[in-house]
Amino acid sequence: DAGVTQSPTHLIKTRGQQVTLRCSPISGHKSVSWYQQVLGQGPQFIFQYYEKEERGRGNFPDRFSARQFPNYSSELNVNALLLGDSALYLCASSRDREFGAFFGQGTRLTVV
Amino acid sequence: RKEVEQDPGPFNVPEGATVAFNCTYSNSASQSFFWYRQDCRKEPKLLMSVYSSGNEDGRFTAQLNRASQYISLLIRDSKLSDSATYLCVVSPYGQNFVFGPGTRLSVLP
Repeated sequence: DAGVTQSPTHLIKTRGQQVTLRCSPISGHKSVSWYQQVLGQGPQFIFQYYEKEERGRGNFPDRFSARQFPNYSSELNVNALLLGDSALYLCASSRDREFGAFFGQGTRLTVV
Repeated sequence: RKEVEQDPGPFNVPEGATVAFNCTYSNSASQSFFWYRQDCRKEPKLLMSVYSSGNEDGRFTAQLNRASQYISLLIRDSKLSDSATYLCVVSPYGQNFVFGPGTRLSVLP
């Protein structure tokens, strides 16, 4: 089975632009979460979706939004990009919280 | 105080050494606990879950002390391939995973 897939793998945007990141979970996993990881730090939680409903939101501004589709894939949108949004954006899917989450390879976003 | 704290590291150890990582968490409602490893510029990968009774997977042993809100990871007979950043993760019931900042391990030949 394919693991979690994310696209694109790398992205360069300029300040003020908008970006959409995509994630396909492992087959059978209904929960998708998004994390932001800045160099030298652990991943920080952004959103969790389960069965197309938002189940949790981290301490991120309203410029960040997400959604989950009927096939459980997900998109993360970031508007009005700032230099500080430069980071590795990770998507994770899980079958059940008790068994941990599995991460995609991430999208490395650079804002210039 | 951060929700999850870890040894600051880095740890530089020779091959074959035993190394222990410590982690503390602040939310007593945390229900699930994990160790992840992350190689440079790669995604985190699940290393093992952590149970109250302690659990072992080959050279790796994880311990959980709920009363002290403390988690540990022991690596025996360390290999060069164990070089990575080790992330402690806790999850309150029904909530997202909270990651620690990670502890970097370098195993030296």
